[in-house]
Amino acid sequence: GAGVSQTPSNKVTEKGKYVELRCDPISGHTALYWYRQSLGQGPEFLIYFQGTGAADDSGLPNDRFFAVRPEGSVSTLKIQRTERGDSAVYLCASSLMASGSPTDTQYFGPGTRLTVL
Amino acid sequence: AQKVTQAQTEISVVEKEDVTLDCVYETRDTTYYLFWYKQPPSGELVFLIRRNSFDEQNEISGRYSWNFQKSTSSFNFTITASQVVDSAVYFCALSDGDMRFGAGTRLTVKP
Repeated sequence: GAGVSQTPSNKVTEKGKYVELRCDPISGHTALYWYRQSLGQGPEFLIYFQGTGAADDSGLPNDRFFAVRPEGSVSTLKIQRTERGDSAVYLCASSLMASGSPTDTQYFGPGTRLTVL
Repeated sequence: AQKVTQAQTEISVVEKEDVTLDCVYETRDTTYYLFWYKQPPSGELVFLIRRNSFDEQNEISGRYSWNFQKSTSSFNFTITASQVVDSAVYFCALSDGDMRFGAGTRLTVKP
């Protein structure tokens, strides 16, 4: 079956602009996660959704970052007033959440490489 | 505090050598899960293994094996008879509710 998909694969924007990054999880997966990966680092947790609601958004760095999942499937990560420091690969993952907690295996998408000039 | 340490930043081996990637973790929880992921040059994280804190049995899958030792808070990964296709960045991760990744170990296998 299809894995996690993310669009666009690359996004170049100018400082101060608004961007949206999209994630389409594996069909049937109720949990969806966003991570940010800077060069030479491991993925850093941003937010996760159980269904339509954000169960934990403690990783969002500031209020310029926001994510939604209105129908419990596709999610959009939104970044306002982008800064050069936002440049990174943004990874999305999904899991079945069968155990009721975010410790199930997460399956990752290919990521969106965001470059802020 | 929850923490994952992969002390080896880069490892280079010649094909057919065995190689072990180290992972040491810290958590206050008694129930947690440990993971290994592979990130090849294409960039996509590939799941390799998930292990819960109550299962200390070592696991073998083909050329891959994992050694989980709670006494030393380690979850090391060994590749036997390495191949060029094993070249990638490998991440160890810990989840006790929050998922935290180590910084990764870049493995280069030379022909």
